[in-house]
Amino acid sequence: KAGVTQTPRYLIKTRGQQVTLSCSPISGHRSVSWYQQTPGQGLQFLFEYFSETQRNKGNFPGRFSGRQFSNSRSEMNVSTLELGDSALYLCASSTLGTSGSYEQYFGPGTRLTVT
Amino acid sequence: AQSVAQPEDQVNVAEGNPLTVKCTYSVSGNPYLFWYVQYPNRGLQFLLKYITGDNLVKGSYGFEAEFNKSQTSFHLKKPSALVSDSALYFCAVRDMNNNAGNMLTFGRGTRLMVKP
Repeated sequence: KAGVTQTPRYLIKTRGQQVTLSCSPISGHRSVSWYQQTPGQGLQFLFEYFSETQRNKGNFPGRFSGRQFSNSRSEMNVSTLELGDSALYLCASSTLGTSGSYEQYFGPGTRLTVT
Repeated sequence: AQSVAQPEDQVNVAEGNPLTVKCTYSVSGNPYLFWYVQYPNRGLQFLLKYITGDNLVKGSYGFEAEFNKSQTSFHLKKPSALVSDSALYFCAVRDMNNNAGNMLTFGRGTRLMVKP
């Protein structure tokens, strides 16, 4: 079974621009979560989507948004980029439905650098 | 709110010796606990989880973890360390009694260095 894939793997943007990152979950997984990893703040939860609905959102400004498509693929968008948005963005998928807890499987991440 | 503490930024161990990476957690309800490992320029790899049942959980690559409810700890262990175990290890928790979906709260990570 193919793992979680994320595109692009590396991205360089300028302050003020916007960016869209893509995530394809493991086949059959309907839950997709996004995390931001930085040296200063560590791993922080951005949001989770399940069946095309945002189920939960972390403490990030409205510039960070996402969506999920009917095939469970997900995208996240960051508008008006700031230098502090430079980070590794990780996507994770899970078979988790409405209860219970299953492990999440992470993709390799997208390394975003804002200059 | 839920939180995870990994008190050691780095753990050094000689190859062949046992290793322990410490984790304590705080949740309002009952916890789901996870360990992940991250190698350079890679995403996180799942090692093991505690949901319920036996307090000693066995996972991938010979790792195991012991859940201790009274001490709110979930330490990662391995009887004999390998140089290839050198990586960044993350402990994570999810409160099974909240409505936060699949949200995991991670510790800051512990760098494990295994020397030959």
